[in-house]
Amino acid sequence: RKEVEQDPGPFNVPEGATVAFNCTYSNSASQSFFWYRQDCRKEPKLLMSVYSSGNEDGRFTAQLNRASQYISLLIRDSKLSDSATYLCVVLGMNTGFQKLVFGTGTRLLVSP
Amino acid sequence: DAGVIQSPRHEVTEMGQEVTLRCKPISGHDYLFWYRQTMMRGLELLIYFNNNVPIDDSGMPEDRFSAKMPNASFSTLKIQPSEPRDSAVYFCASSLNPTGGGGYGYTFGSGTRLTVV
Repeated sequence: RKEVEQDPGPFNVPEGATVAFNCTYSNSASQSFFWYRQDCRKEPKLLMSVYSSGNEDGRFTAQLNRASQYISLLIRDSKLSDSATYLCVVLGMNTGFQKLVFGTGTRLLVSP
Repeated sequence: DAGVIQSPRHEVTEMGQEVTLRCKPISGHDYLFWYRQTMMRGLELLIYFNNNVPIDDSGMPEDRFSAKMPNASFSTLKIQPSEPRDSAVYFCASSLNPTGGGGYGYTFGSGTRLTVV
C-alpha cells in the first residue's frame, strides 16, 4: 500500500464551483500534513499546512481526520488560476528518518 | 533570496553518458533534498543531507546514482552511466528542518528535466 494515496483526477469544474479532494495515508503515527500545489511544468509549492482542528486560508479549507487517516482540501469559488495539481503531503518515518512523503497529486481543471 | 537554484534546466543525453545535476540551496537552510518526479511514481525522495552530511539515501535507486554536498551552498546528483529509464524531472529542495514544520515546508528549485535517449 502506498504511504499517501490520492485520486489522480482530473476534476473538471466550472468557475465559481466548490471542489473537494481527499487523500489517505497509511502511517497512523504521522504528525504533520500539508497540501502543495504544482503548476504544469513547475516546481511544487507549499499551499498550506493541515492542523488537527482544521484550518482555513481564504477560499481554501484543509481538514484532518486522524481516525480515518485522511486529509481533505476544499476550494470554494474556484478560479481559473486554481487549475493545477494538488499534492497531499505527509511527514513519514519509514526508514527511521523524518521526511515529507508526497502523493502523486490530484489534477484540477477550472473552466470558464 | 533567489530561492533554490538548479542547473541545468534541461538535459538531453545519450544512454551510457554521465549526467551531473547541480543545486544551490537557500542560504541558512540546513537540509537539502533530491527528489525525482515521473508521471507513474510521482515525487520520490532520493537522498537528503543535513549540514552537508547524507542522512538518508534509501531512495537512491542503484549504484549508478551518487550525490554529494561538499559545502553548505552546493550539491550534485550524478548518474553514471545514464539509462533511458532515468528520464524524469529531478528536483532539489531545501528546508530549515526535515519535518517541514513551522509553516515553512520545503522550498523546491525549478527542476532539471532529464531525457536519456
